[in-house]
Amino acid sequence: DAEITQSPRHKITETGRQVTLACHQTWNHNNMFWYRQDLGHGLRLIHYSYGVHDTNKGEVSDGYSVSRSNTEDLPLTLESAASSQTSVYFCASSRLARTGELFFGEGSRLTVL
Amino acid sequence: DQQVKQNSPSLSVQEGRISILNCDYTNSMFDYFLWYKKYPAEGPTFLISISSIKDKNEDGRFTVFLNKSAKHLSLHIVPSQPGDSAVYFCAASGSNFGNEKLTFGTGTRLTIIP
Repeated sequence: DAEITQSPRHKITETGRQVTLACHQTWNHNNMFWYRQDLGHGLRLIHYSYGVHDTNKGEVSDGYSVSRSNTEDLPLTLESAASSQTSVYFCASSRLARTGELFFGEGSRLTVL
Repeated sequence: DQQVKQNSPSLSVQEGRISILNCDYTNSMFDYFLWYKKYPAEGPTFLISISSIKDKNEDGRFTVFLNKSAKHLSLHIVPSQPGDSAVYFCAASGSNFGNEKLTFGTGTRLTIIP
């Protein structure tokens, strides 16, 4: 079965460290997204990509970067982790057709100490 | 600026009764609306959607109503079951914003009381 997987599922790091969260999907979807979930804020878009070599900033992109070198993967990098980036991160993908339906991964819980 | 708002952080409903979850939006360019359901330690899953050309969409126990003039949508669950206990997110998209980019609300935690 096609799926979307995130790794690691849990990570604890220190302030200032670089962290990369992996996202891999096997649906061959063009569209991929990174969201963070925080209490009182819901799901907020960090970065997104509509295809290989395409990346775009979302509403909370400061301190984060992504790269899209193939269809399957969209890694999210925190260049210098901050305590404000402690959150649950969700990767998602969708087909090109404008259904709006996203398939989410199970999430990566990141704690920055 | 929260463009999609869910003003009720939580809701408790007796099993078998109707659950009504509400969502308001501010951006008139939104033309497609969705509801997602999320269980703890899992990713959100798609539940039901509605296009702005409709005012109602039904799928089994779930019905979404859209009132464009009020910029308001609601999700009705009838009858409510214990497995419906979850966090529900309202989401919206607009063709001017790109094909699939969704703006989510803050979520409502629904608890079904047996």
